[in-house]
Amino acid sequence: AQSVTQLGSHVSVSEGALVLLRCNYSSSVPPYLFWYVQYPNQGLQLLLKYTSAATLVKGINGFEAEFKKSETSFHLTKPSAHMSDAAEYFCAVRGGSTLGRLYFGRGTQLTVWP
Amino acid sequence: NAGVMQNPRHLVRRRGQEARLRCSPMKGHSHVYWYRQLPEEGLKFMVYLQKENIIDESGMPKERFSAEFPKEGPSILRIQQVVRGDSAAYFCASSPNRESEAFFGQGTRLTVV
Repeated sequence: AQSVTQLGSHVSVSEGALVLLRCNYSSSVPPYLFWYVQYPNQGLQLLLKYTSAATLVKGINGFEAEFKKSETSFHLTKPSAHMSDAAEYFCAVRGGSTLGRLYFGRGTQLTVWP
Repeated sequence: NAGVMQNPRHLVRRRGQEARLRCSPMKGHSHVYWYRQLPEEGLKFMVYLQKENIIDESGMPKERFSAEFPKEGPSILRIQQVVRGDSAAYFCASSPNRESEAFFGQGTRLTVV
């Protein structure tokens, strides 16, 4: 079975500071991992995805994530936060017999202070 | 290429009424997924459909909820006899196949009064 745990439902950083959003997954098969961003009253937009190629994945808006199998983690980072990064971020996993459907974490609300 | 289109964006229903939520996938996408988002929670899978077939409905409540994706036209998520607990945002996603990434619509926010 697949599942995702996002540590920290709320993260606050100052503009220009490092952003680190944590995601740990559980999967009985090699996983496909995703990070999505959701702005208020909007749908989900794909930030980046891991599909067993390079372990360091670069996404849009300066975000990247590193797949660490030994730690079963897929943390999302951005070197310098911008006010426009304030949103909710969801980590998701897909794989195995349930290929197709996504299992989402509960989300992390990112606040960026000026 | 238009994205995944959901309508209506907002829907208000009285308890006991029916709610119909529509989803038009991206062009060329024959796989559709429905998710429900409750406040302070992530998205929960409901159902996965391919044209005219239900592939996985393990996340659908057994009663009052149904989904279809006909050969022609949008996918429909139907909730009969709505209750207050059905109030949520319902998101549709589509993909060209089960391996590819899914693209999400902007959601339908259902409020039951």
